[in-house]
Amino acid sequence: DIQVTQSPSSLPASVGDRVTITCRASQSISTSLNWYQQKPGKAPKLLISGASSLQSGVPSRFSGSGSGTDFTLTISSLEPEDFATYYCQQSYSVPYTFGQGTKLEIK
Amino acid sequence: EVQLVESGGGLVQPGGSLRLSCAASGFTFSIYSMSWVRQAPGKGLELVSYISSSSTTIHFADSVKGRFTISRDNAKNSLYLQMDSLRDEDTAVYYCVRFDYSISDWGQGTLVTVSS
Repeated sequence: DIQVTQSPSSLPASVGDRVTITCRASQSISTSLNWYQQKPGKAPKLLISGASSLQSGVPSRFSGSGSGTDFTLTISSLEPEDFATYYCQQSYSVPYTFGQGTKLEIK
Repeated sequence: EVQLVESGGGLVQPGGSLRLSCAASGFTFSIYSMSWVRQAPGKGLELVSYISSSSTTIHFADSVKGRFTISRDNAKNSLYLQMDSLRDEDTAVYYCVRFDYSISDWGQGTLVTVSS
């Protein structure tokens, strides 16, 4: 099984900050990496698929990059509504494993 | 509009069984892979089980292998998860999801609580 390691697990930040979350796969997964945002009590929301394809309706301050084993999610300038938990997921091979999550917290 | 509606959750004693159902609508169910994803209280996401469109590929997380069974009825646009020998650690919200190289559609989730 492909393991996906996400870091950091917690990220204190302030409105307006630029933040980066990383995800590392245990083997090459090409660009088969997705990013989700989850707010308390809600189902996750797909932000980015295929490592860098922004989903319709997702603000352009979100961006994804990477290929192979190393990937990043960047939020260019944090807005108040961005404080949430973020997950990566590899979709290269079954089982489509998730990262452990990164909780973006207000500093 | 894609809709995924889970049902069947509830309180069950350790060792007991539950069957979750997911009613799908708004898309051609028979051509999509489907999965169950769970989230224990305060924890991350875990893909519990995956089934391909024609049921030819099925996968279970190691944590549930041998205890859970996934199935689908394409004629009824429905996905199922039979959960046997339930343990305390199976307590979670269970989401029915449509898989298309990513998960763009999630159900509202159904809570399964395993407790004596």
